[in-house]
Amino acid sequence: DTVLTQSPALAVSPGERVSISCRASEGVNSYMHWYQQKPGQQPKLLIYKASNLASGVPARFSGSGSGTDFTLTIDPVEADDTATYFCQQSWNDPYTFGAGTKLELK
Amino acid sequence: EVQLQQSGAELVRPGTSVKLSCKVSGDTITAYYMHFVKQRPGQGLEWIGRIDPEDDSTKYAEKFKNKATLTADTSSNTAYLKLSSLTSEDTATYFCTWGFAYWGQGTLVTVSS
Repeated sequence: DTVLTQSPALAVSPGERVSISCRASEGVNSYMHWYQQKPGQQPKLLIYKASNLASGVPARFSGSGSGTDFTLTIDPVEADDTATYFCQQSWNDPYTFGAGTKLELK
Repeated sequence: EVQLQQSGAELVRPGTSVKLSCKVSGDTITAYYMHFVKQRPGQGLEWIGRIDPEDDSTKYAEKFKNKATLTADTSSNTAYLKLSSLTSEDTATYFCTWGFAYWGQGTLVTVSS
């Protein structure tokens, strides 16, 4: 299975820029997607196919990368962005998710 | 507005089966694949599999091939996930997601005697 590796946690101040990384154990083309999940809620799609902003998602969120290395950037970070962020690949079977990066605000 | 409404929480006995539902409103279920995702308490997300409601074709992650069965009923715009031979390892919240763009609220399944 394709393993997606994310850093476990980040802490930033409101107004700053934060980049969350996701590294795949094998190439996934551009089929990397990003989700935000808050406690007790379902995941919410933020970015699809590496760099495409999902409908209704603020332009503060952006994605980049291809192959095995991908980044989700939030700029500027707002208090409401406190959440866990998951990457997911849909290029190789089975589809897999990263373990998540918990973003906390200082 | 598209919404996915999942069935309510289940408390089930080990060794039994449970069938969860996921109803799509606001569009026709055949427009996208329906996927199901497992999330154990405090853990990450696992893809179980997907069904194409157009032709009922399915694909499963290997580890769920003898555990999960996906079906769909286009007349009611509803997809189903059946979990069999339940153990404590199956205690989790199960999400349906339509094309990964739309997500249900999740169904908590607790396996306990």
